[in-house]
Amino acid sequence: EAGVTQFPSHSVIEKGQTVTLRCDPISGHDNLYWYRRVMGKEIKFLLHFVKESKQDESGMPNNRFLAERTGGTYSTLKVQPAELEDSGVYFCASSFFAGTGAREQYFGPGTRLTVT
Amino acid sequence: AQKVTQAQTEISVVEKEDVTLDCVYETRDTTYYLFWYKQPPSGELVFLIRRNSFDEQNEISGRYSWNFQKSTSSFNFTITASQVVDSAVYFCALSGNYGQNFVFGPGTRLSVLP
Repeated sequence: EAGVTQFPSHSVIEKGQTVTLRCDPISGHDNLYWYRRVMGKEIKFLLHFVKESKQDESGMPNNRFLAERTGGTYSTLKVQPAELEDSGVYFCASSFFAGTGAREQYFGPGTRLTVT
Repeated sequence: AQKVTQAQTEISVVEKEDVTLDCVYETRDTTYYLFWYKQPPSGELVFLIRRNSFDEQNEISGRYSWNFQKSTSSFNFTITASQVVDSAVYFCALSGNYGQNFVFGPGTRLSVLP
């Protein structure tokens, strides 16, 4: 079974440009999460989809970040326009929908974003 | 608010030594879940264990063992007879009861020297 995949693995862009990150979750996983780790800091939650609906987007830093999940399958995270402080590693994770309870999340390899 | 503390930033041990990674958590929830993940140099986060707040039994899986102490809000991870391949960053994480996001600790970088 394929794991969570993310594309691209690395992205280097200039301040003010736009970047779109993609995540393909494990097939059958309704929950999809985005996290970010800024250099030297902790892994922080960005948002959570259940199927195509945004369940919780309280971690999104500002309106320069836009996440979508088309048809409840893959998800994209767009940063427009990018700022220097957006640099970091963006992780995507997926899990089964369990109703109550918390299932383990399976993480992708991350996208390393560098904004210069 | 939920919080996870991993006080050990970096640990170095020599191969075959035992090592314990500490994790202390804070939550007001009565039902919650704790997790450990390993991040090897390749970068992906690898799931190791999930434990709910009602199950305080210690768990052993090969050279890995976990000690959950609700009284001290701790969920420590011990590697017995460490190996070089255990070198990685280890994260402890906490979640509530409704599939919410994880709250991660800052991670502990373990280096196992040959």
